[in-house]
Amino acid sequence: DIQMTQSPSTLSASVGDRVTITCRASQSISSWLAWYQQKPGKAPQLLIYKTSNLESGVPSRFSGSGSGTEFTLTISSLQPDDFATYYCQQYSTYPLAFGQGTKVEI
Amino acid sequence: EVQLVESGGGLVQPGGSLRLSCAASGFTFRSYDIQWVRQAAGKGLEWVSGIGPSGDPYYPGSVRGPFTISRDNAKNSVYLQINTLRAGDTAIYYCARSMSSASGTYQFDYWGQGTLVTVSS
Repeated sequence: DIQMTQSPSTLSASVGDRVTITCRASQSISSWLAWYQQKPGKAPQLLIYKTSNLESGVPSRFSGSGSGTEFTLTISSLQPDDFATYYCQQYSTYPLAFGQGTKVEI
Repeated sequence: EVQLVESGGGLVQPGGSLRLSCAASGFTFRSYDIQWVRQAAGKGLEWVSGIGPSGDPYYPGSVRGPFTISRDNAKNSVYLQINTLRAGDTAIYYCARSMSSASGTYQFDYWGQGTLVTVSS
């Protein structure tokens, strides 16, 4: 089974900061990686799919990159609405797997 | 409008069983995989099961564990049967939609609001 490891687990940042979250897969997943944002009490929402494709309606300050086993999510200028928890997910093959999450806090 | 609505959660005693439902609308249901993801309080997301358009089930690892997934395309619904519930199964259970592919599935583009399962005596 493929394991997903995110870092850091928690990230303290300020409005306007550039933020980068890393996700590593235990084996190659090509580009089959998604990123989700989750706010307290809400269901996760898709941000990015296939490593770098922005879901409709997602602000352009979000971007994704990587391939194989190492991936990053970047927020170019952190906004108040971006304080949330972010999860990566591999969908290269079943069983599917999520990273453990990165909480972005003030 | 795409909608996924979970139901069937509640309080159940250890060792008991539950059947969760996910009712879908607003899209061609039989063309999509449906996934179940759970989240314990204060914890991360855990994929627990998925099902393809024709009913092919997917489970974590090589052991199905306490979960059995099924679907009824005539009713646009997916079901998750959970047996022998333990305290560790206490979580919010979400269903989500993903497009099916030849080799697996794609990203989860729509999620339901979740249903809470509490296992306690």
